[in-house]
Amino acid sequence: EVQLVQSGAEVKKPGESLKISCKGSGYSFTSYWIGWVRQMPGKGLEWMGIIYPGDSDTRYSPSFQGQVTISADKSISTAYLQWSSLKASDTAMYYCARQYTGIDYWGQGTLVTVSS
Amino acid sequence: EIVLTQSPGTLSLSPGERATLSCRASQSVNSRYLAWYQQKPGQAPRLLIYGASSRATGIPDRFSGSGSGTDFTLTISRLEPEDFAVYYCQHYGSSLWTFGQGTKVEIK
Repeated sequence: EVQLVQSGAEVKKPGESLKISCKGSGYSFTSYWIGWVRQMPGKGLEWMGIIYPGDSDTRYSPSFQGQVTISADKSISTAYLQWSSLKASDTAMYYCARQYTGIDYWGQGTLVTVSS
Repeated sequence: EIVLTQSPGTLSLSPGERATLSCRASQSVNSRYLAWYQQKPGQAPRLLIYGASSRATGIPDRFSGSGSGTDFTLTISRLEPEDFAVYYCQHYGSSLWTFGQGTKVEIK
């Protein structure tokens, strides 16, 4: 069974750093693109970026370029999304998802709350 | 950069009625990379349609997709109570993703 399991909810202060994770199982992790999607409270889906774990080829949405870093460790089938300095406006649900024919599998989401 | 515009923003319908949701692209896209998703409150999105018209595994046949070029449509032939949700179209060509802003289908 294909699964993407994300790390748990986080509460951080502005200026802090954060790295959240997405562990894939039940399929060849290195053979499918994994993307990250932001959903702010009550809002729609925003694509942040995508990585191909096989060779770490990474692409970012212009809206998120320079704001976050996407990486992957194929030895443990895990993709990451990280911030070096969080802002209150980063408060959102973050989903990882696998691209195949469409985005066929999604993680359960990681809620990130940034508040002083 | 491709922009996807969905209409209407909200669709108010009764169970049993037909729902027609539109997704328009700012430039012609390869329909092979056009998908539709359903999202219910507190849940991750679920893939309904890929390749503009192919139903994903386990999706009931009351859901259908059509279109090409810049204009795409998701049709729900007869709304069931569990179909009231938000629907998003997406383009995922060249491993660059774009989502529409969503259409909420609500109970009238």
